[in-house]
Amino acid sequence: DGGITQSPKYLFRKEGQNVTLSCEQNLNHDAMYWYRQDPGQGLRLIYYSQIVNDFQKGDIAEGYSVSREKKESFPLTVTSAQKNPTAFYLCASSRSWGTYGTDGTEAFFGQGTRLTVV
Amino acid sequence: GQQVMQIPQYQHVQEGEDFTTYCNSSTTLSNIQWYKQRPGGHPVFLIQLVKSGEVKKQKRLTFQFGEAKKNSSLHITATQTTDVGTYFCAGLAGTGGYNKLIFGAGTRLAVHP
Repeated sequence: DGGITQSPKYLFRKEGQNVTLSCEQNLNHDAMYWYRQDPGQGLRLIYYSQIVNDFQKGDIAEGYSVSREKKESFPLTVTSAQKNPTAFYLCASSRSWGTYGTDGTEAFFGQGTRLTVV
Repeated sequence: GQQVMQIPQYQHVQEGEDFTTYCNSSTTLSNIQWYKQRPGGHPVFLIQLVKSGEVKKQKRLTFQFGEAKKNSSLHITATQTTDVGTYFCAGLAGTGGYNKLIFGAGTRLAVHP
């Protein structure tokens, strides 16, 4: 059953702690993305990756870190430097525009992780 | 940086009325994609437009891509309660071999029976 899986669905973090959100896909997609969504707001890009061992900062990368050691996996760490981490985090994957042209580059999203600081 | 702006932020209609949301980019887009997010859910892809001036239809939904590939619109005819959700446009932008998907802020649609 192909798709993109995020875990956990709900996560509670104490202030000062780092937490890591998991994102795994079996769609053989090259590109992966992390977005943050605040209540009633749009999707803001945190980090994105086009290829293994390479990733780029998005618009709101401060306080976050990522790795791309495998094509299937793109975990996001929310560090203690992120002052307001409570939000809904969405991971997505897509085919790479550079490889296939602009067709078929739609993003497939995971179910999301709701992170709350307690 | 590149921005994708979307209006209105919120639209409240009576069932059967039409609805339109508009998307504008600060730069030319390679393509424009539209997504729908139901309350409590995740965004789901609806359609992609690639060509200048392109128009595509999905039942009651009509999507347009501007001639300059900087703006787009989604029009829903005769809304139904199942249309409730937030509609996002997203532009694919690439520089130096890297492409990223930039989302507009979304338009939240409420439909009252």
